[in-house]
Amino acid sequence: EAQVTQNPRYLITVTGKKLTVTCSQNMNHEYMSWYRQDPGLGLRQIYYSMNVEVTDKGDVPEGYKVSRKEKRNFPLILESPSPNQTSLYFCASSLGSSVTDTQYFGPGTRLTVL
Amino acid sequence: QKEVEQDPGPLSVPEGAIVSLNCTYSNSAFQYFMWYRQYSRKGPELLMYTYSSGNKEDGRFTAQVDKSSKYISLFIRDSQPSDSATYLCAFAGYSTLTFGKGTMLLVSP
Repeated sequence: EAQVTQNPRYLITVTGKKLTVTCSQNMNHEYMSWYRQDPGLGLRQIYYSMNVEVTDKGDVPEGYKVSRKEKRNFPLILESPSPNQTSLYFCASSLGSSVTDTQYFGPGTRLTVL
Repeated sequence: QKEVEQDPGPLSVPEGAIVSLNCTYSNSAFQYFMWYRQYSRKGPELLMYTYSSGNKEDGRFTAQVDKSSKYISLFIRDSQPSDSATYLCAFAGYSTLTFGKGTMLLVSP
């Protein structure tokens, strides 16, 4: 089944404890991205990657890192999480890198930073 | 003025009603208009997209774009309880993709 998977789905952690949220897609998509979704603010892009080893900042990159060593994987790293990073995170992928390409979203990771 | 405005709802309707969901935008560079549907505890999924002004129909769903007024709508005919979800409008410009905040729709049996 074609899909985007994220792990973990739920995570509660404490301020400053490094964490990684994994994202993997099995559709051979070029483009992958991370979003956070907050009440009243909607979906905001954190980072995106147009291809392996090519990443760029989205609208809200502060406090996050990403890497794209393989085409299928695009992990999101929070080196020193803070409570304002408590949010619902979505990974997405699309076949091409055009903003008009259909994005396929993962199921989401709900992160709470205490 | 915000780049995209979308009423968060919730919008509650009885089964069978016609639903109208709307977004306004201010960025003239937006040329591609989309509607995503997001069920509770799920990621958004693309529902419809269109490039041009006018209407595009897909089953019970109709997407309408008025570029002159910078206004887009999604109409749902014969709404079903399974349509209960949050609907996000999305706009693509040259290199940007901007989402609305989403409207929660509740269709009661």
